[in-house]
Amino acid sequence: TQLLEQSPQFLSIQEGENLTVYCNSSSVFSSLQWYRQEPGEGPVLLVTVVTGGEVKKLKRLTFQFGDARKDSSLHITAAQPGDTGLYLCAGGRNFNKFYFGSGTKLNVKP
Amino acid sequence: GAVVSQHPSRVICKSGTSVKIECRSLDFQATTMFWYRQFPKQSLMLMATSNEGSKATYEQGVEKDKFLINHASLTLSTLTVTSAHPEDSSFYICSARKNSGVGSTDTQYFGPGTRLTVL
Repeated sequence: TQLLEQSPQFLSIQEGENLTVYCNSSSVFSSLQWYRQEPGEGPVLLVTVVTGGEVKKLKRLTFQFGDARKDSSLHITAAQPGDTGLYLCAGGRNFNKFYFGSGTKLNVKP
Repeated sequence: GAVVSQHPSRVICKSGTSVKIECRSLDFQATTMFWYRQFPKQSLMLMATSNEGSKATYEQGVEKDKFLINHASLTLSTLTVTSAHPEDSSFYICSARKNSGVGSTDTQYFGPGTRLTVL
């Protein structure tokens, strides 16, 4: 059983479209991180959110941490082919262990 | 920056042999490192937490006698897959936790992964 559930699992869109990926749990996390992973490589950190209700922006990417710190979302505006990859959320507890979500595979077609 | 390296990047071995994978934090000290495994098209599953100078903490269902972890220094953790079998074939990824200071959020940085294939 996955501690963090991500949706959708797969997403295939055209260049220029917007999308949102969700990361949900019944557990509370002290922090939540979003990563992007390319095939055959390790995950690369995109952002860390720690405060309930926090919103962070990274160029065309907007990250939000839920008020109760149980869920998060990643919104991408005007997606580009370079955004293609596996997006993973990871929840941390007391900054000790990190548990990964089930992953969302994004494909942006030119 | 915060760079984590893994060695080897790929390894192929025969069934029954042991394989050691190294994880190094190159520009920071890490008292805690984590080992994950990832099957094709799946997410990362935490195997164990490696603590410098003490025994590793294993997740439920992970055999500690099969996956030996040693964290002998603040920059190196090793994972040894003993008596490897084909079902152990996977992508093994380590991460190192970088302490950002009191009141700050620790961040984990990932290595590039090691592809293990057991024949």
